[in-house]
Amino acid sequence: DTAVSQTPKYLVTQMGNDKSIKCEQNLGHDTMYWYKQDSKKFLKIMFSYNNKELIINETVPNRFSPKSPDKAHLNLHINSLELGDSAVYFCASSQVGTRANNEQFFGPGTRLTVL
Amino acid sequence: AQKVTQAQTEISVVEKEDVTLDCVYETRDTTYYLFWYKQPPSGELVFLIRRNSFDEQNEISGRYSWNFQKSTSSFNFTITASQVVDSAVYFCALSESQFYFGTGTSLTVIP
Repeated sequence: DTAVSQTPKYLVTQMGNDKSIKCEQNLGHDTMYWYKQDSKKFLKIMFSYNNKELIINETVPNRFSPKSPDKAHLNLHINSLELGDSAVYFCASSQVGTRANNEQFFGPGTRLTVL
Repeated sequence: AQKVTQAQTEISVVEKEDVTLDCVYETRDTTYYLFWYKQPPSGELVFLIRRNSFDEQNEISGRYSWNFQKSTSSFNFTITASQVVDSAVYFCALSESQFYFGTGTSLTVIP
């Protein structure tokens, strides 16, 4: 029944490694997102993606890349992890359209710790 | 410029006190939506309310109430008779062509 799920919930890794976080939504939404929440609790959008368009926040390093095998999945790949990448990453989905309100449905978050 | 401003970074209240969390937004769209989310210490983001720009009626849900005023571009959130379980970070958000979060207000309710 989980609407938006993410795995893993916790991820601890060494600097320089490459890692992925998976996200799946079963709401039939057309758009998915990745957010980063830093230690000050600021929620920053990293990407939004539907089957037509990927919108990248220009401040996101190109070490971060979203990969969408299908409409229900948007995985986040991170190359060459750095200490500053430690944060909680939230996946979200929404239905975007003239009659939709774009309400974001969030996954439970993935706490990434880079050592 | 910040699209959603939550000027209160941290608030502490004693249990049973009322508390209002402020939210001011900026948009040129006539159609938009406003939201409040709660993030308890466990970390998940919990949806609280959605309001569209054409509905200025205030809403009450139990101890929670929301005051939407287009004239001042504000969408304030009041918790009446606060409880320890209300301790959380609360985010206001605006949806127009994109979705914008405020920086959050951390509420601590002291027993």
